[in-house]
Amino acid sequence: NAGVTQTPKFQVLKTGQSMTLQCAQDMNHNSMYWYRQDPGMGLRLIYYSASEGTTDKGEVPNGYNVSRLNKREFSLRLESAAPSQTSVYFCASSERGAKSGEQYFGPGTRLTVL
Amino acid sequence: GENVEQHPSTLSVQEGDSAVIKCTYSDSASNYFPWYKQELGKGPQLIIDIRSNVGEKKDQRIAVTLNKTAKHFSLHITETQPEDSAVYFCAAPLAGGTSYGKLTFGQGTILTVHP
Repeated sequence: NAGVTQTPKFQVLKTGQSMTLQCAQDMNHNSMYWYRQDPGMGLRLIYYSASEGTTDKGEVPNGYNVSRLNKREFSLRLESAAPSQTSVYFCASSERGAKSGEQYFGPGTRLTVL
Repeated sequence: GENVEQHPSTLSVQEGDSAVIKCTYSDSASNYFPWYKQELGKGPQLIIDIRSNVGEKKDQRIAVTLNKTAKHFSLHITETQPEDSAVYFCAAPLAGGTSYGKLTFGQGTILTVHP
């Protein structure tokens, strides 16, 4: 069981470039999430997918798009990267409606936008 | 939406001492409060959570207490060990209530346990 996997681990972009962060989980979870982590600001939810085919905005969705490709995969796209999007990005998954609300996090993608 | 404040931002203790981290929340309808531990270079991992129908929950050396009247909850770690050194985050449902989905997180506490 790999849990939640994210690719790439590191990425450097120039302002205006686009890229897609990939996330996959093998726990058969319904819900998936994208967070960003900045120093002193904790984790902030970008987008959320309660189940395959549905997505919902989180606290900081501007500048991002997401795709829930299937139950396993949830991708995050930056169409035109900006320096303010320099951050560590975490994907997570959880079993929707479970008694435990535990979210399982991937190892993160460190993104730098120059 | 919910707003969570976490204190302190850094905490330094000697091995064997206790550590306490406190979070306050704004939405009285919130009733699910998890704590996550993040080790260097890794994603956060759930260590304990509490629902508002109980005031305290323990799991070995860690415990969480909840004061619904004052709208705060705290993480207590007893007999700290160097491997407890990490960043700890509290969280609450982003939209209040019992949402096991969208969470809002506190700013994090860097705990350092000195041998």
